[in-house]
Amino acid sequence: AQTVTQSQPEMSVQEAETVTLSCTYDTSESDYYLFWYKQPPSRQMILVIRQEAYKQQNATENRFSVNFQKAAKSFSLKISDSQLGDAAMYFCASNQGGSEKLVFGKGTKLTVNP
Amino acid sequence: DAGVIQSPRHEVTEMGQEVTLRCKPISGHNSLFWYRQTMMRGLELLIYFNNNVPIDDSGMPEDRFSAKMPNASFSTLKIQPSEPRDSAVYFCASSLREGTYEQYFGPGTRLTVT
Repeated sequence: AQTVTQSQPEMSVQEAETVTLSCTYDTSESDYYLFWYKQPPSRQMILVIRQEAYKQQNATENRFSVNFQKAAKSFSLKISDSQLGDAAMYFCASNQGGSEKLVFGKGTKLTVNP
Repeated sequence: DAGVIQSPRHEVTEMGQEVTLRCKPISGHNSLFWYRQTMMRGLELLIYFNNNVPIDDSGMPEDRFSAKMPNASFSTLKIQPSEPRDSAVYFCASSLREGTYEQYFGPGTRLTVT
């Protein structure tokens, strides 16, 4: 079965600094999608960024960017100029076996210190 | 767009009672997913539908759980009879299957079974 691993249960960052959250995955597919979701204390799951595996260019959304290393099956999220509102659980996910099913990692809890 | 709508937002019930959770997907989306989130098990996919047809219900924990999607704009997840171990946050998400598999989540229903 496909797996998504987030090895950092918790991370912290100072406001205005940069933090990188790690994610690795295991798949036998050549084409797939990768996602980062944010879950703040309100518990709403919010899509942060998406990466298509066939695209070599790393996705960017404002202060959020990814470092996608297909050969290493690594998909890290970089948050620049961290803000207090970035404090949340962050989940990495990938679609499974070419289907619509998403497999989620266990999450990383990000704390932003003022 | 109103996003995915779930009701109720909170539900407290006694063991043995029937519980029905409701979901309205984003208009135009043709896939709908039900998830359960707990501290112990993380985010689990229970069942998903495409064009109102159940595609994969392998995540449904047992016969006490059932889900229906009578039309493109409404789905229910029913638990009968409920047990304390069913206490969790239940999310509904929708997506456009012909798109990039990104799922949009509702605000969730926090279920407490006493």
